[in-house]
Amino acid sequence: GAGVSQSPRYKVAKRGQDVALRCDPISGHVSLFWYQQALGQGPEFLTYFQNEAQLDKSGLPSDRFFAERPEGSVSTLKIQRTQQEDSAVYLCASSLVERSTQYFGPGTRLTVL
Amino acid sequence: GQQLNQSPQSMFIQEGEDVSMNCTSSSIFNTWLWYKQDPGEGPVLLIALYKAGELTSNGRLTAQFGITRKDSFLNISASIPSDVGIYFCAGQRAGSYQLTFGKGTKLSVIP
Repeated sequence: GAGVSQSPRYKVAKRGQDVALRCDPISGHVSLFWYQQALGQGPEFLTYFQNEAQLDKSGLPSDRFFAERPEGSVSTLKIQRTQQEDSAVYLCASSLVERSTQYFGPGTRLTVL
Repeated sequence: GQQLNQSPQSMFIQEGEDVSMNCTSSSIFNTWLWYKQDPGEGPVLLIALYKAGELTSNGRLTAQFGITRKDSFLNISASIPSDVGIYFCAGQRAGSYQLTFGKGTKLSVIP
């Protein structure tokens, strides 16, 4: 596809469940970013990959959050033991190189009950 | 986390009117970006500004990079119904890939 795709688009989880969110970046894009967007807020940076290397995970809110990009393409954001405060839209973005334009996917809306 | 100060939070305007929104920061950014987000979608880049004082247009949109590097504004001229959405400013520091976003301005256009 031409753009960044994310799946699922919507996810409802019971508190304590683990979830996995997938991101398919634009083909050939080296850099991949995850952002968290709470209701009524702007996106906030979570983590950054350059190819398969996770170079920055300073924005991950707790050790329950884990991201990977094993082959330098598709990325998965995993949240363990979900809490209600994890409810948000999780956005993935990719860029051709590190500081070039970031293109965002449609996001996954996570609701934790 | 840090977010930029963006105002107004929301606006209701008549179709055909011009719109202005702005973004300020307590620290310097080397790049200012303006995004639009429609419901259920991710942000889409509208305008990128790379130099202090720069004024850039994209159709009916005009944005400026403040001389102090701590602010930026976005103008939309002759608004139309499809301008409805949330507009975000974002700043990027020199040598950094991280984007710092504002809280957004929600624009509603009354036909």
